[in-house]
Amino acid sequence: IAGITQAPTSQILAAGRRMTLRCTQDMRHNAMYWYRQDLGLGLRLIHYSNTAGTTGKGEVPDGYSVSRANTDDFPLTLASAVPSQTSVYFCASSDSGTYGYTFGSGTRLTVV
Amino acid sequence: GESVGLHLPTLSVQEGDNSIINCAYSNSASDYFIWYKQESGKGPQFIIDIRSNMDKRQGQRVTVLLNKTVKHLSLQIAATQPGDSAVYFCAESFSGTYKYIFGTGTRLKVLA
Repeated sequence: IAGITQAPTSQILAAGRRMTLRCTQDMRHNAMYWYRQDLGLGLRLIHYSNTAGTTGKGEVPDGYSVSRANTDDFPLTLASAVPSQTSVYFCASSDSGTYGYTFGSGTRLTVV
Repeated sequence: GESVGLHLPTLSVQEGDNSIINCAYSNSASDYFIWYKQESGKGPQFIIDIRSNMDKRQGQRVTVLLNKTVKHLSLQIAATQPGDSAVYFCAESFSGTYKYIFGTGTRLKVLA
């Protein structure tokens, strides 16, 4: 089934540890995004990539990094996790020919 | 700055009745709007979109209305069903970008 796969589904992480959230899409979409979702704050853009090889900062990029080595993969790395990064993380993609996003099922991350 | 907001955080509707979910946006330059549905534990799903050159667009049991004069967007769901229970987000985007600003969401509860 075409779509976005995120891994892991959930994770409890000790503060200070490094963590990479994985995101893979099989739709050959040009653009990919990482959002975090917090109660009362909605979805906030962390980083994005308009095409393979390029990335950009979103609304809340601090503490996160991304890479886009190829079209399909867009991993999000937390270099040194802090409790304020406890959230649900969604990866999304879109085709340059359309505007709607396809979202993954999310990763629930708890930093303790 | 630009923002997208929702008037009602929770909406309870009797099964079979029509639902109306509202959204206000602040940037008159926004030219594309989407409604997403998010069920518990899942990522947001595209419902319907509308461009700023339109006032109304209909889908299957859903209608989106855009009032550019007052910068207001609404989602109407006809004959609301239990499966419609979810959180609904509106999102706006700006010409030339594929990035969106999302509202905080309205939870729709369908009462049997």
